Formats: sequence, structure tokens, C-alpha cells
Amino acid sequence: GQQVMQIPQYQHVQEGEDFTTYCNSSTTLSNIQWYKQRPGGHPVFLIQLVKSGEVKKQKRLTFQFGEAKKNSSLHITATQTTDVGTYFCAGVQGGKLIFGQGTELSVKP
Amino acid sequence: DTAVSQTPKYLVTQMGNDKSIKCEQNLGHDTMYWYKQDSKKFLKIMFSYNNKELIINETVPNRFSPKSPDKAHLNLHINSLELGDSAVYFCASSQDPGAGYTFGSGTRLTVV
Repeated sequence: GQQVMQIPQYQHVQEGEDFTTYCNSSTTLSNIQWYKQRPGGHPVFLIQLVKSGEVKKQKRLTFQFGEAKKNSSLHITATQTTDVGTYFCAGVQGGKLIFGQGTELSVKP
Repeated sequence: DTAVSQTPKYLVTQMGNDKSIKCEQNLGHDTMYWYKQDSKKFLKIMFSYNNKELIINETVPNRFSPKSPDKAHLNLHINSLELGDSAVYFCASSQDPGAGYTFGSGTRLTVV
């Protein structure tokens, strides 16, 4: 079955530093979705990428979908304490949204 | 207005008991889901319903039984609770499986 691998598992940064999390799938994805879960909260949908090589931006967040539609990344520029949380990528297979293991980001002020 | 609401938020119960978690969405979405998040934050799909019809039933013990009385509601009943059932259970909905999901705030189940 499909596996969605995400690295790193944890990332600790100083406020103002950049952060990147990577997502890889064993199979080609029809689309990739990204979610953020604040500590004690629930996953919140951030964005969906559909096209090969697609790049989308949301303020300081940049999302990329690989040319082969098997990998994706989320980059945060100049992190802030409000960026703290776990970031999940997720891909659809067989009508199921399969989540990566998530990257937990902590930001030191 | 909460888009996806689930109750209760916390549930502490003894082994062997039976409990239910309720979920309702007011987004008009056709598809609803139950996910289990373990202590390592891994999110695993359990069930999916489309317009009251079960479409995904993952390898979940048959002590777990979902019920969807209408497309806005998806409840989860758990029989004979075990220690390993302790986790956070999230309900979610989407217009279709390929679209973004809206999650409820979760139910933290603790079995003692």
C-alpha cells in the first residue's frame, strides 16, 4: 500500500531561522495536501497541490510539488513563535487520505 | 458556528466499558471520516462514509462500529474498551476524498 514518509520528525529552530519539511510517497500522488496541528489542537487544512512542479505561497510559507508527483516540501521563511506545531503532508490513494508522520516544529524566541 | 463538532472532548473510562463519540458537520459535505491519532501523533484513518454509506473500513477491531444516521452525522461506538484504545479520535469531513478535510476538535479517550 501507499506510504507517505515525512522528515524530519522534529525540528528546533531559533525564531527568525528558516524551516523545511519534506514529504515522499512510494507511489505517484494525484494531489498532496498540507495540514498544521497546533499543540493540543486539531489538524487544519493549509493547501492542496495538484500539478506536477507546482509551487504555491502563503505569506512566509512556500509549498512545492515535485515533477514526478511523488514528493513535496513546505518551507517557512523567518519562523515566528506562532509557527509552532506539527506539519503533516497527506496524499490521496484509493479514496483515502494517507498522512505522513508529521514534523514537529518548535521555535525558540 | 463550529463546522465539525464532536462530543465529548474528553472521555475517561474503565476497561471493558462501552462508549460512544458523536460527530456532526454543518458544511454540507458528502463524506465523513474517523481518524485515530496515537501518542506519536500518527493519524490513521479508521472509517469513511459517503452520504450515509460505508466506503472505507480499515483494519479496525470489530469492537469499533460507526453509524451514520444521515450525511451530517457520523458516530463511533466502541465496545469492551481496552487500554490500547487510548488515543485522540478525530472526526473529519470533506466534499470529496480528494478535497481538503475539515477536522473536528478531537476526543481524547483515556482507558484506565
